[in-house]
Amino acid sequence: AQSVTQPDIHITVSEGASLELRCNYSYGATPYLFWYVQSPGQGLQLLLKYFSGDTLVQGIKGFEAEFKRSQSSFNLRKPSVHWSDAAEYFCAVAGGGNKLTFGTGTQLKVEL
Amino acid sequence: DVKVTQSSRYLVKRTGEKVFLECVQDMDHENMFWYRQDPGLGLRLIYFSYDVKMKEKGDIPEGYSVSREKKERFSLILESASTNQTSMYLCASSSQLAKNIQYFGAGTRLSVL
Repeated sequence: AQSVTQPDIHITVSEGASLELRCNYSYGATPYLFWYVQSPGQGLQLLLKYFSGDTLVQGIKGFEAEFKRSQSSFNLRKPSVHWSDAAEYFCAVAGGGNKLTFGTGTQLKVEL
Repeated sequence: DVKVTQSSRYLVKRTGEKVFLECVQDMDHENMFWYRQDPGLGLRLIYFSYDVKMKEKGDIPEGYSVSREKKERFSLILESASTNQTSMYLCASSSQLAKNIQYFGAGTRLSVL
């Protein structure tokens, strides 16, 4: 069965600082990987996805993520965080079929 | 843009009531999903549907049922609401061509008293 681990429940960064959110997955073959963001009171919005090819993927709002097969990781990065990035971030994996398995989320706080 | 609309943002119900959560999508998507979101647990799949009148159980179907009579509408039913069903409920949809890219509604926060 596929699974996702987001080891950091909460992260606080200063505005303008760089950000890295960790995600580790478990799946037997090459997975499809996703990062979603949830702003307060909102549903989830897709930030970026990895299906195949280039292991560094670019997403919306200046985010990027790198797929590392050897580490079973798909970490999300942003070089300079803005106050509006404060939200909860979810990593997800799909192994085929229609279902996504989500991690437990990382709550990002941005200090001004 | 894909729009997934959940009929209520907030609901307060009493224990034992029958509760209907409604979800409508406007992109002719084949697949629709109901998740439950709880702090520290992330999103857990309750049920999904890949076609009209078709449904499959997700990871936590107990205490829930679903209905999909029309392609654009997917309903989650709590036959007899209990306090442990107090949660945020999220609906999502996806197309069969891009089946893993799910679009989410804003959520319904349900409180069962």
